[in-house]
Amino acid sequence: KNEVEQSPQNLTAQEGEFITINCSYSVGISALHWLQQHPGGGIVSLFMLSSGKKKHGRLIATINIQEKHSSLHITASHPRDSAVYICAVRVDRGSTLGRLYFGRGTQLTVWP
Amino acid sequence: GAVVSQHPSRVICKSGTSVKIECRSLDFQATTMFWYRQFPKQSLMLMATSNEGSKATYEQGVEKDKFLINHASLTLSTLTVTSAHPEDSSFYICSARDKLLPYTGELFFGEGSRLTVL
Repeated sequence: KNEVEQSPQNLTAQEGEFITINCSYSVGISALHWLQQHPGGGIVSLFMLSSGKKKHGRLIATINIQEKHSSLHITASHPRDSAVYICAVRVDRGSTLGRLYFGRGTQLTVWP
Repeated sequence: GAVVSQHPSRVICKSGTSVKIECRSLDFQATTMFWYRQFPKQSLMLMATSNEGSKATYEQGVEKDKFLINHASLTLSTLTVTSAHPEDSSFYICSARDKLLPYTGELFFGEGSRLTVL
């Protein structure tokens, strides 16, 4: 079983729709990352959060540490948002920054 | 923002040959670089952690003699896939940690390298 589970695996939306991608994890973490992977493979870090909520433009990320759950929301979705969105959690090892565990990603396709 | 450049972006090679992939931090110094592998429809999997000036730390199940990692400077780490076989065909991607931001956990990824072994 993967330490990080994402849902849905695939998501199709019409331009303008509100999008939600969910991430659940089973381990204690120090931080959670939301990443965007473009069709060519390159990855961009969208958010790093350890509590509460962060907003950047049309993107909002929330995390509930007690429930071990995070959501990524996209408001007013656009075709250029089409990408794979990956949730990753950081598990610390003592005093050093620990390793990351990745979800399998959510393929988002936004149609015009 | 911080930029990590990976080269080549695509490489096709014959079985038995070795392939070198470079990961460069362009506008910052990276004390630590990470190498990941991603098979189709699968999660990214950490292969090894590369620290400048010291030996890389490999994850369980990753053969250090097959995947040679060199981190000779604060801006360059290389991954060499030795005697590549078709099962090594995958997407390899690196990420780097800024020397000046060692504990923030910020992630800067390269563009990735798609290796196809015939």
